[in-house]
Amino acid sequence: ETGVTQSPTHLIKTRGQQVTLRCSSQSGHNTVSWYQQALGQGPQFIFQYYREEENGRGNFPPRFSGLQFPNYSSELNVNALELDDSALYLCASRSAGTGVKDTQYFGPGTRLTVL
Amino acid sequence: QKEVEQDPGPLSVPEGAIVSLNCTYSNSAFQYFMWYRQYSRKGPELLMYTYSSGNKEDGRFTAQVDKSSKYISLFIRDSQPSDSATYLCAFPSGGYNKLIFGAGTRLAVHP
Repeated sequence: ETGVTQSPTHLIKTRGQQVTLRCSSQSGHNTVSWYQQALGQGPQFIFQYYREEENGRGNFPPRFSGLQFPNYSSELNVNALELDDSALYLCASRSAGTGVKDTQYFGPGTRLTVL
Repeated sequence: QKEVEQDPGPLSVPEGAIVSLNCTYSNSAFQYFMWYRQYSRKGPELLMYTYSSGNKEDGRFTAQVDKSSKYISLFIRDSQPSDSATYLCAFPSGGYNKLIFGAGTRLAVHP
């Protein structure tokens, strides 16, 4: 196990609703990234947070937003859900300032279904 | 053209076979090359990473990089049923936190 936990495991929402997904980073990790993995696809980078500030974003609209808390837990919020938002959402944590080999540790993900 | 191309499979092999998994990429700026393994209902876990062209070996796994062809491979020797998973190639882009993933190749090793 990586020490990265996510909740909930599964979630079903309807189109137009809002959702909050939660992640608890591995102890000592100060950087968290969020990814979206559609069925049969590789993960796509949404954004990353370092010291409670967003410092990198992929090709996702503003209705995807996040928060990182002082205890390095974090949230992913998605507003105005669309059917295409159905996916596995992964968070990953690492310690900034380390090399590539100290890479991200992924949580098990939250499976979101939008009906 | 996608930045990373990876055949999604599925690939089904008998136990003990040598498996070859491949990715091509188009971005010459990629400097590190990674392979992740993802079991069903789990997050990806880093298997191997390499920086330079050539081969890197770790137990039954060998990562191979050909920068001139923008082609990377992962070889699994003496494959085991426990190797059954999806294998994702990944490339750090603009920092180690942002990874560009391939679509993943699903591998099934049957006894």
